[in-house]
Amino acid sequence: GQSLEQPSEVTAVEGAIVQINCTYQTSGFYGLSWYQQHDGGAPTFLSYNALDGLEETGRFSSFLSRSDSYGYLLLQELQMKDSASYFCAFLNTGKLIFGQGTTLQVKP
Amino acid sequence: DTEVTQTPKHLVMGMTNKKSLKCEQHMGHRAMYWYKQKAKKPPELMFVYSYEKLSINESVPSRFSPECPNSSLLNLHLHALQPEDSALYLCASSQDLASGSAYEQYFGPGTRLTVT
Repeated sequence: GQSLEQPSEVTAVEGAIVQINCTYQTSGFYGLSWYQQHDGGAPTFLSYNALDGLEETGRFSSFLSRSDSYGYLLLQELQMKDSASYFCAFLNTGKLIFGQGTTLQVKP
Repeated sequence: DTEVTQTPKHLVMGMTNKKSLKCEQHMGHRAMYWYKQKAKKPPELMFVYSYEKLSINESVPSRFSPECPNSSLLNLHLHALQPEDSALYLCASSQDLASGSAYEQYFGPGTRLTVT
């Protein structure tokens, strides 16, 4: 079957580092992407990992290990505005399949 | 310009009404999508258009009817909806359906639909 597993909630303090994990199960894997969605807002593309390793974009980094069917999103120097839901996703037969999402709460 | 626009922002309709949701993008993208999202859940794919042709229909009930008049516009026609269809309807676009491109989708702000 196809599935993505990620924690439902994560809490961290401002200025800290947080890692949101995602494990997946699928055939025909082409990579993993991450989206951010604020309450009442639209999902926003953050990153895409097609190959193993770390991709860095400013305070956000994303990692993929295809052999472990595992990826993570790393958020550094957390800010209050990072409080949002984060979804990992993979493509299957042309369809983007999302995980259930991780709600990140950043506290002062 | 990386913007996808959707109208209306909010829509309340009765079960016998007919209404349409509209989506527009001017990024030259050739793939466009409709998603449905319930509260605290991930977006669920409904339809995919590629080069103005319907590519994927995720077994969506016929009371939802998509239309792609041209490469920039996507409509979703609604008729005889049920209260359980109340949700946020999101439009998205990507450069095309090639795997690398389809991973990077740009979403509009959505239409919050309430069916009474």
